[in-house]
Amino acid sequence: DTAVSQTPKYLVTQMGNDKSIKCEQNLGHDTMYWYKQDSKKFLKIMFSYNNKELIINETVPNRFSPKSPDKAHLNLHINSLELGDSAVYFCASSQPASGPGDTQYFGPGTRLTVL
Amino acid sequence: AQKITQTQPGMFVQEKEAVTLDCTYDTSDQSYGLFWYKQPSSGEMIFLIYQGSYDEQNATEGRYSLNFQKARKSANLVISASQLGDSAMYFCAMRAFQIQGAQKLVFGQGTRLTINP
Repeated sequence: DTAVSQTPKYLVTQMGNDKSIKCEQNLGHDTMYWYKQDSKKFLKIMFSYNNKELIINETVPNRFSPKSPDKAHLNLHINSLELGDSAVYFCASSQPASGPGDTQYFGPGTRLTVL
Repeated sequence: AQKITQTQPGMFVQEKEAVTLDCTYDTSDQSYGLFWYKQPSSGEMIFLIYQGSYDEQNATEGRYSLNFQKARKSANLVISASQLGDSAMYFCAMRAFQIQGAQKLVFGQGTRLTINP
């Protein structure tokens, strides 16, 4: 009964490769997010989708392309991976309300290591 | 721009003691939300507690309470009767804005809490 799930949990790849991370939520939420947590544990939002529509795009390189096939799924594709892309990527989801009901619930994270 | 500051990079507390984790925020908005998350060594982000800017009462969730001082722009997390399992990174976050149903959370740098037996 996992609420927000991500695959894979670990991803090790060479520079220049293309990789994808998948996210699924079964909370019935309309809004999903991608966050990046760097080596210093700093968390920053990358993208947000509401009902399959891109709403927030936070100055992320074009090599990162999110895709939302339906409101329960949000995938992240990364082209031409660079060393600086090494981080933990978190997916999250929330209801589009204003108040305690819009708490974001996070997936377990995907640790990406680029060699 | 909205900003969250957590001034304690690390804290060490004896088991069963209460602990306060500091969080100050900066915003010019009248309506905002404040959140605390816990990140244990296993890596997941666990939601702990929420405080709305118009809430008159401090939020409480079990052993967690939020000491909200609006005039000082602080939202400290208080953990009562700490347990070994409370050892983790703790992040304070603020809802910076909301647009078309999507909200942007701004996070602080985090505080690493270690509970000693």
